[in-house]
Amino acid sequence: QKEVEQNSGPLSVPEGAIASLNCTYSDRVSQSFFWYRQYSGKSPELIMSIYSNGDKEDGRFTAQLNKASQYVSLLIRDSQPSDSATYLCAVTTSGTYKYIFGTGTRLKVLA
Amino acid sequence: KAGVTQTPRYLIKTRGQQVTLSCSPISGHRSVSWYQQTPGQGLQFLFEYFSETQRNKGNFPGRFSGRQFSNSRSEMNVSTLELGDSALYLCASSSEGQGHYGYTFGSGTRLTVV
Repeated sequence: QKEVEQNSGPLSVPEGAIASLNCTYSDRVSQSFFWYRQYSGKSPELIMSIYSNGDKEDGRFTAQLNKASQYVSLLIRDSQPSDSATYLCAVTTSGTYKYIFGTGTRLKVLA
Repeated sequence: KAGVTQTPRYLIKTRGQQVTLSCSPISGHRSVSWYQQTPGQGLQFLFEYFSETQRNKGNFPGRFSGRQFSNSRSEMNVSTLELGDSALYLCASSSEGQGHYGYTFGSGTRLTVV
């Protein structure tokens, strides 16, 4: 089992819809969770971090964390074609300095 | 505030050669991590340096090595290059040693081995 798993996609959504990206992790003691966006040919860019159960909102982005079920998700409201990118989930475990990335989900927002 | 600077941006090397890549983190960031990114494998962790010490290492052969200088700048070296080393090499810096607050990535070095 991979430590951080994401569906590779592509996930296609129409412009204006909500895009829902999911990530599961295997280490129960994971403590910090991140979402990165990577445009084709560019480097990853941090867009959200979440550390405790529940929702965290930042503009059109909402990160959701459920430690009991070991998943973290990213919702993108009012999706725009400019949101088309690969979204990487990353998980860290305190004290081990391990920072594990998933392989990413490719999102396509159709105009 | 300057971002993470990686040099060079592109490299073409021949099998068997060695290569050194450089990374200058954001000013004040003491943690520098290196990743290899390929289409099939995604982001693979190479190693992390914090205050000139290697704190964590991924599952790469000994041909891959790195170091960090007192000014937090880091270099990564790959010896005896193989075709499979062709990849985008990304450097990431963070202010907290474990990347707890997230990474800032450089633009990467695209290495092609022929």
